[in-house]
Amino acid sequence: NAGVTQTPKFRVLKTGQSMTLLCAQDMNHEYMYWYRQDPGMGLRLIHYSVGEGTTAKGEVPDGYNVSRLKKQNFLLGLESAAPSQTSVYFCASSPLPTGARVQPQHFGDGTRLSIL
Amino acid sequence: DQQVKQNSPSLSVQEGRISILNCDYTNSMFDYFLWYKKYPAEGPTFLISISSIKDKNEDGRFTVFLNKSAKHLSLHIVPSQPGDSAVYFCAASPTGTASKLTFGTGTRLQVTL
Repeated sequence: NAGVTQTPKFRVLKTGQSMTLLCAQDMNHEYMYWYRQDPGMGLRLIHYSVGEGTTAKGEVPDGYNVSRLKKQNFLLGLESAAPSQTSVYFCASSPLPTGARVQPQHFGDGTRLSIL
Repeated sequence: DQQVKQNSPSLSVQEGRISILNCDYTNSMFDYFLWYKKYPAEGPTFLISISSIKDKNEDGRFTVFLNKSAKHLSLHIVPSQPGDSAVYFCAASPTGTASKLTFGTGTRLQVTL
């Protein structure tokens, strides 16, 4: 079971460069999310999607764009990378809630991104 | 403004003893709470959850307690095992919000022999 797969696992960029992080899930989940994790902080939500073709802003969306053209994929883009975007990025997915019950999110193993 | 707080960055417990990890929240709209476990170089994995209509949920060695009036929850691990050594994150969500989670900063648990 692949679950949630993130590519690449590591990347080093120079300030001003652009890149796209790819997240793929094979669980047919409706919801997908991008988080960043920084030292001494919890995971913070960047953007999320409630279905194919939809995206919405999370807690820290500035400097990032996302797209969900296919249900199984959720892309995170950095148009002009900045050192403040050095972080570990996690993608997650979850199925639709069951009644009032929130469904747990399933996470990928992360992408470690360094911006010089 | 940290809406979910884990005030203990680290905790050390002997194998076989009880581990108690604490979490406080400030947002009254949170009504579903989850604990995740994270090993180095891996993503968080779901451990256990609790709805605000309950005050306790148990799954094997793991029990989560919720005190709504105090806006406090705790995770008990009994007995603790060396494989439990990891970072534990508390997370909270209001229902009806696309299951968006707000995470605490994590507590690093070390279970010693």
